[in-house]
Amino acid sequence: QKEVEQNSGPLSVPEGAIASLNCTYSDRGSQSFFWYRQYSGKSPELIMFIYSNGDKEDGRFTAQLNKASQYVSLLIRDSQPSDSATYLCAVNLGVILTGGGNKLTFGTGTQLKVEL
Amino acid sequence: SQTIHQWPATLVQPVGSPLSLECTVEGTSNPNLYWYRQAAGRGLQLLFYSVGIGQISSEVPQNLSASRPQDRQFILSSKKLLLSDSGFYLCAWKTGFGEAFFGQGTRLTVV
Repeated sequence: QKEVEQNSGPLSVPEGAIASLNCTYSDRGSQSFFWYRQYSGKSPELIMFIYSNGDKEDGRFTAQLNKASQYVSLLIRDSQPSDSATYLCAVNLGVILTGGGNKLTFGTGTQLKVEL
Repeated sequence: SQTIHQWPATLVQPVGSPLSLECTVEGTSNPNLYWYRQAAGRGLQLLFYSVGIGQISSEVPQNLSASRPQDRQFILSSKKLLLSDSGFYLCAWKTGFGEAFFGQGTRLTVV
């Protein structure tokens, strides 16, 4: 079982619709969860983080965390063509790296296409 | 604010040649620094991390090495590149809350 799993997509949604991106993780000791957006050929940029169960909203983005189900999701409301990118889910696993700090592990990403 | 610089942006190297990629961070002291590699169509793989000068930990055995000669400088090296070393190399620093911020990346093609 992969430590962080995402559906690779592509996920296609029409402009203005809600895009729903999902991620599951294997380590119940995981503490913090992140969503990154990566445009083709560019480096990932952080768009959301969530630490507690429930929802966290930031503009058009909502992150949802359910630790009991080991599930984290990202909702993008009013999707725009500029939202077309690969979305990476990242989890700070309960694994402690030598020298300190948790291991930040990434899923393989879901490609989102917002169509006009 | 913190910024992370990584260069070069693109590199084409022949098999067997050496490699040196450099990363520097500004606006923070004693950062935790990381090298990731992203192969085509795959996720980010953690290669090395460093919690301080001269402290390097390797996540996977490979043809690469890393060094941290200064507090805000992190270098990825290889003595002899392999075709399988091709990929997108990303340097990152991590805050105390656990989120990582990335440099612009280096796309390495070994030919």
